[in-house]
Amino acid sequence: AQSVTQPDIHITVSEGASLELRCNYSYGATPYLFWYVQSPGQGLQLLLKYFSGDTLVQGIKGFEAEFKRSQSSFNLRKPSVHWSDAAEYFCAVGAQSNYQLIWGAGTKLIIKP
Amino acid sequence: GAGVSQSPSNKVTEKGKDVELRCDPISGHTALYWYRQSLGQGLEFLIYFQGNSAPDKSGLPSDRFSAERTGGSVSTLTIQRTQQEDSAVYLCASSLTGRPEAFFGQGTRLTVV
Repeated sequence: AQSVTQPDIHITVSEGASLELRCNYSYGATPYLFWYVQSPGQGLQLLLKYFSGDTLVQGIKGFEAEFKRSQSSFNLRKPSVHWSDAAEYFCAVGAQSNYQLIWGAGTKLIIKP
Repeated sequence: GAGVSQSPSNKVTEKGKDVELRCDPISGHTALYWYRQSLGQGLEFLIYFQGNSAPDKSGLPSDRFSAERTGGSVSTLTIQRTQQEDSAVYLCASSLTGRPEAFFGQGTRLTVV
């Protein structure tokens, strides 16, 4: 079955500390992978995407993610978080031939001052 | 417009009433999606429109839900005889043909009292 797992419902990180949000997927086809961020009361904003090529992708706001096929993972990282990064983060997987993305349940990031 | 626009941003309605939610996608985007996000949950796919093709309605939770897209642009999601369990944020997204990454509106927060 196709699925996306974000194992951490909440993560608390001190401002300035590094961050890694986990995403594991199960998908039959070659995956297209996405990370979206949702600030409180807002819609979802695309942070970054992986279609092919270099497995380390850079996104907006200083985020990056690494696709590891052998581990079926696409973890999101940031070297130093800012208070404005507090939000909910969603991982999603899809395919070029299938418009319907499979979504993770989200990870809520809390920033400690 | 510059982004996906949804209206209203908030809607409070009485149980049993009908509501209409509007989505204006990014100009030139042929694909349009509706999602539902319940409190603390991930995204639930509702319906997908692509150009003039028949929509994929497989995610609509009941026959009280319907959607249309006029002229390949603006879409309206209608919920008839609203129930309290319909309370959620309804998100609209659009994308270019053949591109799975979607761009989201701010959402409509529906509260059924």
